[in-house]
Amino acid sequence: SQQGEEDPQALSIQEGENATMNCSYKTSINNLQWYRQNSGRGLVHLILIRSNEREKHSGRLRVTLDTSKKSSSLLITASRAADTASYFCATDSTQGGSEKLVFGKGTKLTVNP
Amino acid sequence: EAGVAQSPRYKIIEKRQSVAFWCNPISGHATLYWYQQILGQGPKLLIQFQNNGVVDDSQLPKDRFSAERLKGVDSTLKIQPAKLEDSAVYLCASSLALEYEQYFGPGTRLTVT
Repeated sequence: SQQGEEDPQALSIQEGENATMNCSYKTSINNLQWYRQNSGRGLVHLILIRSNEREKHSGRLRVTLDTSKKSSSLLITASRAADTASYFCATDSTQGGSEKLVFGKGTKLTVNP
Repeated sequence: EAGVAQSPRYKIIEKRQSVAFWCNPISGHATLYWYQQILGQGPKLLIQFQNNGVVDDSQLPKDRFSAERLKGVDSTLKIQPAKLEDSAVYLCASSLALEYEQYFGPGTRLTVT
């Protein structure tokens, strides 16, 4: 079953603009992770934020986590054409006694040159 | 550092035939995962191993899918017999432990005709 739901499903912006993607989830989590997938490089881990963290940065990426609202956002600043990809949030939670990662359906980002 | 290796990259079979996929994780990674990704959706966990023991296989269709991880390193995923709805990309991933980020292989694209 999918826990994370990304919003929007698709996003098209111009190079240099910022892109914001949101993720909502339903149950308590251990951590939340963001992944990028494009045809050239497959599925790549971007950033992990733990349940006791509120914000994390990595290069042009900024992730926030609000556990009270069960939501997270991924901000990509100064976007480039190479950022064109699908972005997935994945929630790490303990369900039925085992810890596992559940992916959302993804946001398809297109950055136009 | 070598990444996660998978083979074959592509496979086309007829329904009711059998198929096997192979995965070699990153050296030293104790946890190995198999995911199924249907076009337009996020990856869905099929099975996860901790060393050579199964941690979670709750979403593995056990009447037709099987997986093993001998000696806690390489893993194989088998489908027998295949159905049309098994057409998908099968991704293998590994991580140091359950709560860490996962590293994905390039995937095997399976087409069942």
